[in-house]
Amino acid sequence: DAGITQSPRHKVTETGTPVTLRCHQTENHRYMYWYRQDPGHGLRLIHYSYGVKDTDKGEVSDGYSVSRSKTEDFLLTLESATSSQTSVYFCAISTETGETEAFFGQGTRLTVV
Amino acid sequence: SQQGEEDPQALSIQEGENATMNCSYKTSINNLQWYRQNSGRGLVHLILIRSNEREKHSGRLRVTLDTSKKSSSLLITASRAADTASYFCATDLNQGGKLIFGQGTELSVKP
Repeated sequence: DAGITQSPRHKVTETGTPVTLRCHQTENHRYMYWYRQDPGHGLRLIHYSYGVKDTDKGEVSDGYSVSRSKTEDFLLTLESATSSQTSVYFCAISTETGETEAFFGQGTRLTVV
Repeated sequence: SQQGEEDPQALSIQEGENATMNCSYKTSINNLQWYRQNSGRGLVHLILIRSNEREKHSGRLRVTLDTSKKSSSLLITASRAADTASYFCATDLNQGGKLIFGQGTELSVKP
C-alpha cells in the first residue's frame, strides 16, 4: 500500500470552530488532493497541490483552505466549520498526472455539530 | 453538475453474470480511470485508459472509451460476491493535475 496517512481518522467538532486535517505521505509524490465524499455526490475535489506551495481550487473549495509547506504534508483547514461540512474527507496522492493512478488514504470522518 | 456522471447509480446482479457501468463526462480529458471502493474504505485504482486508446483489459475487467461521445464503460465479467463495492470513474482533465470523480455506481453481487 502507498504510504499515505490521514489524521485524525475521526473528529467531532462544534459549529464555528476551526479544524485542520492532515495528510502525510512517504512516497515523495508530487500531486496531493483533498476530496470530500457525501451520499449522492460521489467524491468532489476540494483543493489539490502540484508541488510545495503550489495549490489550486477544486469543485467545492468555498470554506476550505490548504497549505503544503513540505512535499510530504498537505493540510486541509476548515476556517469556521459548518454542519454542511460534515463529511468523509479523503486525501490522495499521485506521481505525475496523465500517466499514473492516484493512491488514497483511509479517510477522515468529520462531524460538525 | 459534476464532470463525471455514472449510470446506473445502483446495480444488483447474480454471481456469474456480467456487470456493466457507464461514465459520461463533459470536457476533453487526458485519461480516464476507474476506481473501486469497498464500504468504509479508501478508493483503489483498477484501470487507466488514455484518451488515444479505445479499449483496455485487465483480468476480468474491460474498459472502453469513446471520446467522440465523451463516455466510457467498465465491464466486469463473471462477477463474484467479492466484487460487491462502489465503482467510480475519474477524469484527468490535463489541467495541471485536476482529477475529477463521478458519483459512482453501487454494485451488489448476490451469491
